[in-house]
Amino acid sequence: DTAVSQTPKYLVTQMGNDKSIKCEQNLGHDTMYWYKQDSKKFLKIMFSYNNKELIINETVPNRFSPKSPDKAHLNLHINSLELGDSAVYFCASSQDALLNEQFFGPGTRLTVL
Amino acid sequence: KNEVEQSPQNLTAQEGEFITINCSYSVGISALHWLQQHPGGGIVSLFMLSSGKKKHGRLIATINIQEKHSSLHITASHPRDSAVYICAAVQGGADGLTFGKGTHLIIQP
Repeated sequence: DTAVSQTPKYLVTQMGNDKSIKCEQNLGHDTMYWYKQDSKKFLKIMFSYNNKELIINETVPNRFSPKSPDKAHLNLHINSLELGDSAVYFCASSQDALLNEQFFGPGTRLTVL
Repeated sequence: KNEVEQSPQNLTAQEGEFITINCSYSVGISALHWLQQHPGGGIVSLFMLSSGKKKHGRLIATINIQEKHSSLHITASHPRDSAVYICAAVQGGADGLTFGKGTHLIIQP
């Protein structure tokens, strides 16, 4: 059974479109995260939710909006996609906040043309 | 904002060698994560530590809070250890997590 799953695995889209990436964890964890890994492989935290509440919101454009319908899901919606949004997006979860081991999803490679 | 530096950026070694990867940070932290990113892109958490030393198999992680420094050691390295190793410093609360740029390790047979 996959612990943290993301869909889709690959996403190719045109500039200006709106797209969503879904994340689900079946570990019973309270905290979920979104990370962005750029073309230089540098990871950066974007958002963190604990029990459906936003606890970390790094400096990301307003075009990125996380949505957590329940504590097992944290989806990422991106409006008006730009070329610079091309990256690999990783979802992760942990039992509590950042002081616990994190479990990562397989990543979603987003390519904006 | 915390500055997290890793060294070396790239490391190529022969199978069996003892490997050390270093991570230093500029601001006091709550904890530090070591992650492994496989060539296929998947990320696995290796350790989360806030003091002392942890060991798992051939991997050992240490942290010195006063010196703001952590090391990841691999004993009896093997080609399957080839990956990118990333440290990430936890500031706690809304300050989040700051990643190092990673160390690309290649173990040659």
